[in-house]
Amino acid sequence: AAGVIQSPRHLIKEKRETATLKCYPIPRHDTVYWYQQGPGQDPQFLISFYEKMQSDKGSIPDRFSAQQFSDYHSELNMSSLELGDSALYFCASRFRQGNTEAFFGQGTRLTVV
Amino acid sequence: SQQGEEDPQALSIQEGENATMNCSYKTSINNLQWYRQNSGRGLVHLILIRSNEREKHSGRLRVTLDTSKKSSSLLITASRAADTASYFCATEGRTSYGKLTFGQGTILTVHP
Repeated sequence: AAGVIQSPRHLIKEKRETATLKCYPIPRHDTVYWYQQGPGQDPQFLISFYEKMQSDKGSIPDRFSAQQFSDYHSELNMSSLELGDSALYFCASRFRQGNTEAFFGQGTRLTVV
Repeated sequence: SQQGEEDPQALSIQEGENATMNCSYKTSINNLQWYRQNSGRGLVHLILIRSNEREKHSGRLRVTLDTSKKSSSLLITASRAADTASYFCATEGRTSYGKLTFGQGTILTVHP
């Protein structure tokens, strides 16, 4: 069965650079979520999209933005990168209705040097 | 503060023993989900229990939910070395549009 696909798997950037992370949700899932997991931390919610519209926002810095495209894939754009942005970034997708599980991608490990 | 608090933070057992992890949360929920994460890798969905359910089983996993105490437990029976991982509970709040709030996780080590 198709899973959530994230790319790239690993990314190394320098401070003040920009990064773009991509997420391809499970087909027919209508909701996408982005999470950030720092070293030794639990995943923290950043932002979500329902049917291509932003539906909820968490602790996402102003330097970050995200969107969902007509084919349902989503991108997380991160600018003016800081050392503290080094983390695992996960995308998850699900059907919003029906009280169902969220499936996560393998994550993108971002290292800012 | 975190919605979910997990207990214990770390658990070390021998193969064949049972492992029990607990999770507490603060607000009303639609469901509670358990995930497993091998070191630095993806989150694997284990089991979902809805707010109107009290217990669910999946293979060697047993999950309970007590909404009056706002707590859940995950029991792994007959543990194996391959069960070594971090285990997270995550709650979907009633007004959260499906977003999950994670607990801090339990690091389980199963010794062969």
